[in-house]
Amino acid sequence: EADIYQTPRYLVIGTGKKITLECSQTMGHDKMYWYQQDPGMELHLIHYSYGVNSTEKGDLSSESTVSRIRTEHFPLTLESARPSHTSQYLCASTSHGNQPQHFGDGTRLSIL
Amino acid sequence: EDQVTQSPEALRLQEGESSSLNCSYTVSGLRGLFWYRQDPGKGPEFLFTLYSAGEEKEKERLKATLTKKESFLHITAPKPEDSATYLCAVQSGGSYIPTFGRGTSLIVHP
Repeated sequence: EADIYQTPRYLVIGTGKKITLECSQTMGHDKMYWYQQDPGMELHLIHYSYGVNSTEKGDLSSESTVSRIRTEHFPLTLESARPSHTSQYLCASTSHGNQPQHFGDGTRLSIL
Repeated sequence: EDQVTQSPEALRLQEGESSSLNCSYTVSGLRGLFWYRQDPGKGPEFLFTLYSAGEEKEKERLKATLTKKESFLHITAPKPEDSATYLCAVQSGGSYIPTFGRGTSLIVHP
């Protein structure tokens, strides 16, 4: 049973569109993360948050932004989608640094 | 900088053929080592956490072990449903950002 939800699961959209990927968790976790994953490759951290009104950029610059207005909600926005943004985007959360992350099932994004 | 290297990249087994996956790591103060299973089109699913050298965890056909330099995921008598990508990640002290390996893609043939 999933405690972290991502929508949409799949999205095919044209270049230049503004996109928001949704992520919500019901576990009350303070720490949330966005990763980008390409087939056969490791997870690349895009953004993370340690709590409400706290957001930081990860190692991968994806020209995206995030917000954390509520504990349970951590949306990712691409202001102007490009074909290079085609990938799978995974959202995760955890309660403490020595605890495992809980992942959503991801959004597979294709930019035409 | 924390580093995680998983081997092999891909592994094909016959049903019942036991084997091990390796996760070698370098980290400044290990806070935890995590194993995940990822099925195609899904997010990673947590399997085990190991905190200190010598620790072992078991779940059905899977057993994870930890030394100061590496972790092994032993798969005993695997079944086709064990086919998946297995990811290893380490968490170092003072950070809430885990470092992931690229994973081992396991295929178990009936």
